[in-house]
Amino acid sequence: DADVTQTPRNRITKTGKRIMLECSQTKGHDRMYWYRQDPGLGLRLIYYSFDVKDINKGEISDGYSVSRQAQAKFSLSLESAIPNQTALYFCATSESSGSSGRWQYFGPGTRLTVT
Amino acid sequence: AQSVTQLGSHVSVSEGALVLLRCNYSSSVPPYLFWYVQYPNQGLQLLLKYTSAATLVKGINGFEAEFKKSETSFHLTKPSAHMSDAAEYFCAVGGGTASKLTFGTGTRLQVTL
Repeated sequence: DADVTQTPRNRITKTGKRIMLECSQTKGHDRMYWYRQDPGLGLRLIYYSFDVKDINKGEISDGYSVSRQAQAKFSLSLESAIPNQTALYFCATSESSGSSGRWQYFGPGTRLTVT
Repeated sequence: AQSVTQLGSHVSVSEGALVLLRCNYSSSVPPYLFWYVQYPNQGLQLLLKYTSAATLVKGINGFEAEFKKSETSFHLTKPSAHMSDAAEYFCAVGGGTASKLTFGTGTRLQVTL
């Protein structure tokens, strides 16, 4: 089984709809992240969470919200989807300390299309 | 503040040729540096990492990278390209007390016969 799973893997939604992307991990990591990937722009950080009670905005958090329901679950919500939120979304996790806490494990991604 | 510049959004090499993907970074603290690979329709997989130990880092699939502080570079190389190396490659920098990473814009590697 995959260590980091994302659901759904693909989603098409309409402008104005609320949508939630979910991420679950079995790695036992404290830290979780949400990124979006756009062609030519690389990955940009949306939100990150260092533990269940610690949630922080990334560089492009406008239009998004998150919920850390448990150590293993981190959800990303688009309150009112707009077409420029069409992108590939990745969840990632990392340990909380030591040099190994410096790199991140990625889920398979969710391809979101907003029409 | 941290940033990464990957020179060349697309690189094409012949099978068996040297692969060189360039990455330059900027960091106000001692950096941790990473290369990730993304195969089509997949997530990102860690290829190799520099975490202040040896400056020449070996990764999976025959790739390696050398940390050069004086040049603020962390270029990725492989002596002989294989068709299966065709993918997108991302350089990333982290550092300080947080484990946030800043990614480059990626380089798509094409391998031709």
